[in-house]
Amino acid sequence: DTEVTQTPKHLVMGMTNKKSLKCEQHMGHRAMYWYKQKAKKPPELMFVYSYEKLSINESVPSRFSPECPNSSLLNLHLHALQPEDSALYLCASSQERQGASDTQYFGPGTRLTVL
Amino acid sequence: SQQGEEDPQALSIQEGENATMNCSYKTSINNLQWYRQNSGRGLVHLILIRSNEREKHSGRLRVTLDTSKKSSSLLITASRAADTASYFCANARIQGAQKLVFGQGTRLTINP
Repeated sequence: DTEVTQTPKHLVMGMTNKKSLKCEQHMGHRAMYWYKQKAKKPPELMFVYSYEKLSINESVPSRFSPECPNSSLLNLHLHALQPEDSALYLCASSQERQGASDTQYFGPGTRLTVL
Repeated sequence: SQQGEEDPQALSIQEGENATMNCSYKTSINNLQWYRQNSGRGLVHLILIRSNEREKHSGRLRVTLDTSKKSSSLLITASRAADTASYFCANARIQGAQKLVFGQGTRLTINP
């Protein structure tokens, strides 16, 4: 199984809502990533989890809250978002061999619209 | 910004022709990776080249890396309509975990 799955595929939420994005992989990867991609722009790294610990936070606003309940699951909790947060949110995973070059496997993304 | 640059931003060629995309980056890297993305979908990994490698091949893909110029190129030979997509390079540094910084991307259109 070389697949990263993301749910939901589409999400529309108001600025006062609380919602969560979910990402799952069963490749035994120990690093998982959240990226944000605006239209016609490259993906931008938000968070990296390595061995279920937050390793990198790219100064993301606190209205985005990541969680890694176990090595296969990654969540992104959303609260009080702004319309400019509307984007494609991509999850990825990789093997995370210390100091090694690893391919990242991406999920199909969640298209988020904030009204 | 640590983001790299890619050129051209858009490339339109006839089926069967070769397509070349270039990428530059700003910092020292551990490796450089190329990804393809179809119409706002997830990214598909194409090829990874390590900082101590100069050239790598995979099927119709050829990637070069020049660390002295901080640049890379992706060549797609004998292009097909199915190659129509956006192509991104991503330079990787190891900061505990591997951190990818993506270039701006090249939008490739293959005309039948």
